Amino acid sequence: QVQLVESGGGVVQPGRSLRLSCAASGFTFSSYGMQWVRQGPGKGLEWVAVIWYDGGNYYADSVKGRFTISRDNSRNTLYLQMNSLRAEDTAVYYCARISGGDSGSYFDYWGRGNLVTVSS
Amino acid sequence: DIQMTQSPSTLSASVGDRVTITCRASQSISSWLAWYQQKPGKAPKVMIYKASSLESGVPSRFSGSGSGTEFTLTISSLQPDDFATYYCQQYHSSWTFGQGTKVEIK
Repeated sequence: QVQLVESGGGVVQPGRSLRLSCAASGFTFSSYGMQWVRQGPGKGLEWVAVIWYDGGNYYADSVKGRFTISRDNSRNTLYLQMNSLRAEDTAVYYCARISGGDSGSYFDYWGRGNLVTVSS
Repeated sequence: DIQMTQSPSTLSASVGDRVTITCRASQSISSWLAWYQQKPGKAPKVMIYKASSLESGVPSRFSGSGSGTEFTLTISSLQPDDFATYYCQQYHSSWTFGQGTKVEIK
């Protein structure tokens, strides 16, 4: 079965960096686009970044220039490098798989999430 | 950017009620809309995709309709497991979520 397991979260000071990982299993990782989505405390869902199966990527304006999404298909792992972190980046970060086929690019599987807290 | 607006923000209902949540897009998104259910402390789960297609394993009491800019999620007979927050999401151009609708016990 499809599994996505995030790791790497924690407490970090403003201005510092953190890297999240998402280990994928149960499907051919290299064939799917992958996403990061975040949810601030008590808030709604916010799309963060996408990386397609061919490595093309795209970011939300709120993280552009600070965050970098990448993937290692040999390790079946998705990454999110977060630099220059701000208090407003505090959130649970989810990785999610983009569905395949002609039903469009909705998110069909999600990880359980990983909390990132930016605080001095 | 495409904005998604859900209504209501909170909905109080009883078991067995028919429940409808509305989602409006700031511009046409054809049928590129999904609905997700999220329970406290858990990841979202897709319920409906392409506006009206039921995700595998989702109970048939859930249905979706609409196209263009107006969409609805309907639960025909609310069950105890359905009390949760529901989000719409457009995936016509990038991805945007609505602000969520919390379905709570009346």
